[in-house]
Amino acid sequence: TQLLEQSPQFLSIQEGENLTVYCNSSSVFSSLQWYRQEPGEGPVLLVTVVTGGEVKKLKRLTFQFGDARKDSSLHITAAQPGDTGLYLCAGADDYKLSFGAGTTVTVRA
Amino acid sequence: ETGVTQTPRHLVMGMTNKKSLKCEQHLGHNAMYWYKQSAKKPLELMFVYNFKEQTENNSVPSRFSPECPNSSHLFLHLHTLQPEDSALYLCASSQLAPRGPGELFFGEGSRLTVL
Repeated sequence: TQLLEQSPQFLSIQEGENLTVYCNSSSVFSSLQWYRQEPGEGPVLLVTVVTGGEVKKLKRLTFQFGDARKDSSLHITAAQPGDTGLYLCAGADDYKLSFGAGTTVTVRA
Repeated sequence: ETGVTQTPRHLVMGMTNKKSLKCEQHLGHNAMYWYKQSAKKPLELMFVYNFKEQTENNSVPSRFSPECPNSSHLFLHLHTLQPEDSALYLCASSQLAPRGPGELFFGEGSRLTVL
């Protein structure tokens, strides 16, 4: 089992502030995915990063894949209440994904 | 609407009951998954079906029994469960790609409570 550790576990910030969530592992992955899960729903894919050092931007969200393809970060600029949710990273290996425990983000209006 | 439908959304059962969770995907994918989600723990992969063939059984107790009659339907049969089995059970599907599982499309989950 490939272990992914996410930090922090919980994050509560005011609307307009920035935040960063981290995903770390000792294993190398062929790709890494970030999902967001809202209460009462299943996780929904935000982005997939494949190449070491890759940076992807999705509006106010910036995703980075570490050079060694073992870690990743998610940065949100000027967070909004709609960004509230559980952020999950998942490392891909062959035909399956291994997930971290997630970071619960709360953005207060 | 993600194209993956799970029923029931909520289930309460005693330890001696037999029940089943159902999952259906309308996306034409070739792989389906069962995950267990417990509070403060990573999603645990339970079973993977690739073209209807089970390719992963992640040391899951035999009181959980999966069934995949075709590439669109997946069941999880439950029998003599324990209270610690209470969790959110998520079904997902994907189109397997050469470099990995691709994007997983999840259902909304079945919230199981074992009394």
